[in-house]
Amino acid sequence: EIVLTQSPATLSLSPGERATLSCRASQSVSSYLAWYQQRPGQAPRLLIYDASNRATGIPARFSGSGSGTDFTLTISSLEPEDFAVYYCQQRSNWPYTFGQGTKLEIK
Amino acid sequence: EVQLVESGGGLVQPGGSLRLSCAASGFTFSSNWMHWVRQAPGKGLVWVSRINSDGRSTNYADSVKGRFTISRDNAENTLFLQMNSLRAEDTAVYYCARALAAGAGIAGDWGQGTLVTVSS
Repeated sequence: EIVLTQSPATLSLSPGERATLSCRASQSVSSYLAWYQQRPGQAPRLLIYDASNRATGIPARFSGSGSGTDFTLTISSLEPEDFAVYYCQQRSNWPYTFGQGTKLEIK
Repeated sequence: EVQLVESGGGLVQPGGSLRLSCAASGFTFSSNWMHWVRQAPGKGLVWVSRINSDGRSTNYADSVKGRFTISRDNAENTLFLQMNSLRAEDTAVYYCARALAAGAGIAGDWGQGTLVTVSS
């Protein structure tokens, strides 16, 4: 099973700042990595798939990069609604796995 | 508009059974891989099971293999998860998700979830 490790566990920033979230895989997942956002009490929402493709309706301030084992989700300028938990997920091998999540909180 | 509506959750005793349903609308259900993902209270996401578009190919997480069965009724646009021999550690919100055409393992749309509580 591929293990995904996200860092940091918690990120404290202010609206308008830039956020950089990391995800490292225990073995190569090529570009088969997605990012999801989960707000409290809500279902997850797909943001990025295949490392760098924005899902339909996702604002341009969200971008993804990386390949192999190291990936980054960047939010260029934080809006109040962006404070949530973010998960990375690989679809290279079954079972699909998620990282443990990064909580983005308001500083 | 894609809609996924889960139902069937509730309180069940250890060793009991439940059948979850996910009613789909707003897309051609028979064309998409479908998935179940769960989230224990206060914890992260875990992929439970997947099924291909015609229902002939299924996979399970090791933690549920032999106890859970995923299936679908393409005529009724409904996804199912039969859960037997339930354990306390199966307590979670269960989400159904639709895969994108771009890849079977991309959960592009999610339901609101249904809570399963396994407790005596």
